[in-house]
Amino acid sequence: QKEVEQNSGPLSVPEGAIASLNCTYSDRVSQSFFWYRQYSGKSPELIMSIYSNGDKEDGRFTAQLNKASQYVSLLIRDSQPSDSATYLCAVNWGNQFYFGTGTSLTVIP
Amino acid sequence: DGGITQSPKYLFRKEGQNVTLSCEQNLNHDAMYWYRQDPGQGLRLIYYSQIVNDFQKGDIAEGYSVSREKKESFPLTVTSAQKNPTAFYLCASSISGNTIYFGEGSWLTVV
Repeated sequence: QKEVEQNSGPLSVPEGAIASLNCTYSDRVSQSFFWYRQYSGKSPELIMSIYSNGDKEDGRFTAQLNKASQYVSLLIRDSQPSDSATYLCAVNWGNQFYFGTGTSLTVIP
Repeated sequence: DGGITQSPKYLFRKEGQNVTLSCEQNLNHDAMYWYRQDPGQGLRLIYYSQIVNDFQKGDIAEGYSVSREKKESFPLTVTSAQKNPTAFYLCASSISGNTIYFGEGSWLTVV
């Protein structure tokens, strides 16, 4: 059984703070990991992908992957009210993608 | 513009009726997927297809059917056998398991 686990939240941070979102997965075989942002009533949009252990930075976003611990995280620096959304972690196993239930983030002005 | 187009955006189904959701992509992606999302829930895989004329059941395929006659198209039929079809349906595509991209989604409501 392949599972992707996320803390559903809600997570609240003040504007300008760092938001930290976490995800664990059940199968060591996976090689590809993704973070998506989903606004209420909209479809998910890709934020970042990460394939190797370590950190990957893109603007205010940093994805961190630790395959030994089966853990992937997303840091959002200088959080803005427009970052308020649900963040989905996705893991690719073979040709299938498995999604966590998402973490709801609210950035308070 | 390249992308994934789903239609209709909103659809209402009467009891005992079959309805079909359209999904078209012009990204030249091999793989296509259908997910269902219920309020406050994650995405659950209904069906996926890696190549034309071939598709596999996902975790919640009962009450749904698909076809893949063209690379660009992957329609989903919600049959009368699906007893609780009210949900947000997402079509997606990828290049052989690489990054997955989503259409804008279709809202289905039973009336």
